[in-house]
Amino acid sequence: QSALTQPPSASASPGQSVTISCTGTSSDVGSYDYVSWYQQHPGKAPKLIIYAVNKRPSGVPDRFSGSKSGNTASLTVIGVQADDEADYYCSSHAGNINLVFGSGTKLTVL
Amino acid sequence: EVQLVEYGGGLVKPGGSLRISCEVSGLTFSDYAMDWVRQAPGKGLEWVATISSTGHYIGYADSVKGRFTIFRDNARRSLYLEMNSLRGEDTAAYFCAKVRWDGTYAADHWGQGTLVSVSS
Repeated sequence: QSALTQPPSASASPGQSVTISCTGTSSDVGSYDYVSWYQQHPGKAPKLIIYAVNKRPSGVPDRFSGSKSGNTASLTVIGVQADDEADYYCSSHAGNINLVFGSGTKLTVL
Repeated sequence: EVQLVEYGGGLVKPGGSLRISCEVSGLTFSDYAMDWVRQAPGKGLEWVATISSTGHYIGYADSVKGRFTIFRDNARRSLYLEMNSLRGEDTAAYFCAKVRWDGTYAADHWGQGTLVSVSS
């Protein structure tokens, strides 16, 4: 149950796009289309922004999108806004009833 | 409005025990699987345990297996985490989270967390 690998940091200027990767293995990301992404602002609870690789919960702007290729999933934010500055975590189903989170990426809006 | 509220965090000595709980309102609690997820100070999210809607299926992270027990009382709309043999590395904010109904293993509602500190 090793954490999925994410870059520690990412940055973008307002209006630009940014992509955050999430690399797992053939036992988790590579085997299941059950990758989720969460946004967490400081001192707050995580918020689900993408589930099942590329689906958005109601209320999440379509500026957020997800994709997957092999053992790597990605979150893309287009038209970055100041409020997008937060920590982002991926997670993946890992067989049976197990779950694994990514190491987290701090997105800085320049 | 869906609400999840955690209770029971606090300071406990290494080797000690603690039970934390999560009360859920605004939905039919017995319809949903539930997670416990923790976050050590300044660190990332770590999955701790999941319990199915009926309580029949349970999974634990290797780091807590054999020491922590997740259980639920659907009549009380409550989720619990019994933590034994606590260690310093168990110090974290513990979040309960409701899992989506559609089998995608995504947690779409979260509590604000309860802090557990393990220290002598």
